[in-house]
Amino acid sequence: GAGVSQTPSNKVTEKGKYVELRCDPISGHTALYWYRQSLGQGPEFLIYFQGTGAADDSGLPNDRFFAVRPEGSVSTLKIQRTERGDSAVYLCASSSGPRSSGNTIYFGEGSWLTVV
Amino acid sequence: GEDVEQSLFLSVREGDSSVINCTYTDSSSTYLYWYKQEPGAGLQLLTYIFSNMDMKQDQRLTVLLNKKDKHLSLRIADTQTGDSAIYFCAEKAPGNNRLAFGKGNQVVVIP
Repeated sequence: GAGVSQTPSNKVTEKGKYVELRCDPISGHTALYWYRQSLGQGPEFLIYFQGTGAADDSGLPNDRFFAVRPEGSVSTLKIQRTERGDSAVYLCASSSGPRSSGNTIYFGEGSWLTVV
Repeated sequence: GEDVEQSLFLSVREGDSSVINCTYTDSSSTYLYWYKQEPGAGLQLLTYIFSNMDMKQDQRLTVLLNKKDKHLSLRIADTQTGDSAIYFCAEKAPGNNRLAFGKGNQVVVIP
């Protein structure tokens, strides 16, 4: 597609349930990022993939959060045993790589997660 | 580490210029960005500036960078109602592929 695509756009889940959020980056982009944005805040970095590998996962808040990108394209963010504090917009972004001009990073529309 | 600060709210009349400010702490930042977020939407990249530049102009947008004071500003000329949004500045440090964002500055354009 033309832009970064994220599904679902909205997800309501019960506390304790497992959630998967999907990101389809811009075609050909090797770098993929996940960010989390709480209400009234700026996006906070979670994890960065270069190709299939997680080059930097230092932003994942705890071991309930995990992300994969098995074929170097689509990525899935997985949240286990969800808590109400996980409620946020989860933003995915991609770029053509670390050495591209300006390293311009393009964001998707986000997946709005509400844990009740 | 990176830390980005922004003021919170700006009200401007349609047709006037608006200026949004941002300060950052990492003097080694290589690129600085401005993103726009409309209600319920994702982040739209507006413009970015490389750290060896002082100014960049792109149509109605002018970015000014003061490296000495670690201050970044975005000026929007002839502000339109469609410019109402939250504006985030972000910095990228060398050797680090993540962006560090400020809390955003909400701009409300009054017709």
